[in-house]
Amino acid sequence: GAGVSQSPSNKVTEKGKDVELRCDPISGHTALYWYRQRLGQGLEFLIYFQGNSAPDKSGLPSDRFSAERTGESVSTLTIQRTQQEDSAVYLCASSFVGSYNEQFFGPGTRLTVL
Amino acid sequence: AQSVAQPEDQVNVAEGNPLTVKCTYSVSGNPYLFWYVQYPNRGLQFLLKYITGDNLVKGSYGFEAEFNKSQTSFHLKKPSALVSDSALYFCAVRDANTGKLIFGQGTTLQVKP
Repeated sequence: GAGVSQSPSNKVTEKGKDVELRCDPISGHTALYWYRQRLGQGLEFLIYFQGNSAPDKSGLPSDRFSAERTGESVSTLTIQRTQQEDSAVYLCASSFVGSYNEQFFGPGTRLTVL
Repeated sequence: AQSVAQPEDQVNVAEGNPLTVKCTYSVSGNPYLFWYVQYPNRGLQFLLKYITGDNLVKGSYGFEAEFNKSQTSFHLKKPSALVSDSALYFCAVRDANTGKLIFGQGTTLQVKP
C-alpha cells in the first residue's frame, strides 16, 4: 500500500517568504507527527495530531511555525517569514494509536532558505 | 525528562564482521524503544522495536537489538555486516504521554568491503 507522502520534495525560498509543506499520511493512521532534521543532527519533534484532540504543539520553535490537519488526513506545516535557520529537512510520520506502534516516515521536504 | 544517547558518531566495520551500534536511554516508566535507519536522501525506515517480552528483538534486514534494563541500553547488532548496511542509524524512545519519538543524534555506520 501507499506510504506517507510529502510535497514538495525540495523547496528553495528567500528569507522572509512564507512556505507551506504538505503531508499525506497512511490511510487509517490517526496519529500524525512532524519532525525537523537539521544537517548533521538528529530529529526534533515539532507537533503531533491525534484524531480530534487538540494537537501537541510543544515542539514548535517559534510562533512563525503552525500546522493544521484536516480530520484524519492531510496535514500542512506552515512557516511564516522564513529565516535561514529554518533550513532543514522536514519529516512527517504517521501511525496507529498506541505508544507501541511504530511510526512510518515520509521522504521529507528539504527546505533551503536563502 | 526522557532522553536517548548514541555515544558514537561513526562506527566502521569490515564486511562480514559483526557490528554493534550503541544506544542508552533514560525514561520514567516502561521504555518503548525503536531503531530506524536512514539512507542518503531518504526518509527513516523502521528496523525494530522493544515493547515488552524477550530482551533480544529481531527486526528487518537481519538486524537485532538487545534490551538491557540494568544498563539502560538497547544496542543494535548484526552478526555479519554488508556494505549495503552503510547508513545513518537512529535510536529512539517513545514518549508514553504523547507518543512522540525522542531521537538520539544518530550513528553513521560505514561498512567497508
